Amino acid sequence: RKEVEQDPGPFNVPEGATVAFNCTYSNSASQSFFWYRQDCRKEPKLLMSVYSSGNEDGRFTAQLNRASQYISLLIRDSKLSDSATYLCVVNDNTDKLIFGTGTRLQVFP
Amino acid sequence: DAGVIQSPRHEVTEMGQEVTLRCKPISGHNSLFWYRQTMMRGLELLIYFNNNVPIDDSGMPEDRFSAKMPNASFSTLKIQPSEPRDSAVYFCASRLRTGGVSKNIQYFGAGTRLSVL
Repeated sequence: RKEVEQDPGPFNVPEGATVAFNCTYSNSASQSFFWYRQDCRKEPKLLMSVYSSGNEDGRFTAQLNRASQYISLLIRDSKLSDSATYLCVVNDNTDKLIFGTGTRLQVFP
Repeated sequence: DAGVIQSPRHEVTEMGQEVTLRCKPISGHNSLFWYRQTMMRGLELLIYFNNNVPIDDSGMPEDRFSAKMPNASFSTLKIQPSEPRDSAVYFCASRLRTGGVSKNIQYFGAGTRLSVL
């Protein structure tokens, strides 16, 4: 079993749609959680951290369910510029980040 | 404010040749990570350094791979001899390690796209 699992997609959605990505992690000792975004042929960049109480940043909402070892990312009012691969990232209180293989999103006009 | 700088951006070489990838971390950062990304395996951690000291190289695929960090502002990843299966994008990332895990945010360079023919 992979340490961090994501649906690879692609998710093809029209502009303005709401889309949700899910991620599960295997290590119950994991301490911190992130979503990174990676554009085609670019480097991963931090989108947002994920806090236990859930957090929102504009159109983006992240949720964490420790009991189910599950993380989600919700994007509202999708824009063409949201097209990218979204990487779920988990840290287990060491220096290392464990990356999921990513979920690809394509927003069309 | 300069980010993580990697060179070269692209490298095409023939099987058996030595390849050296270079990385300059963000100034003031004290942890440096080397990753490899392929379609099949995603982003894999190869090795990382804290304060220029290698901490975990368990991700280095085999002895053909080696990494050094002679000072706080420079690191190299070397493949000798290179093989076609080494073709991938190699990323370097850095982080300011303050001890708080909630701040474990890594910043990536633009990557080196390696093709071994």
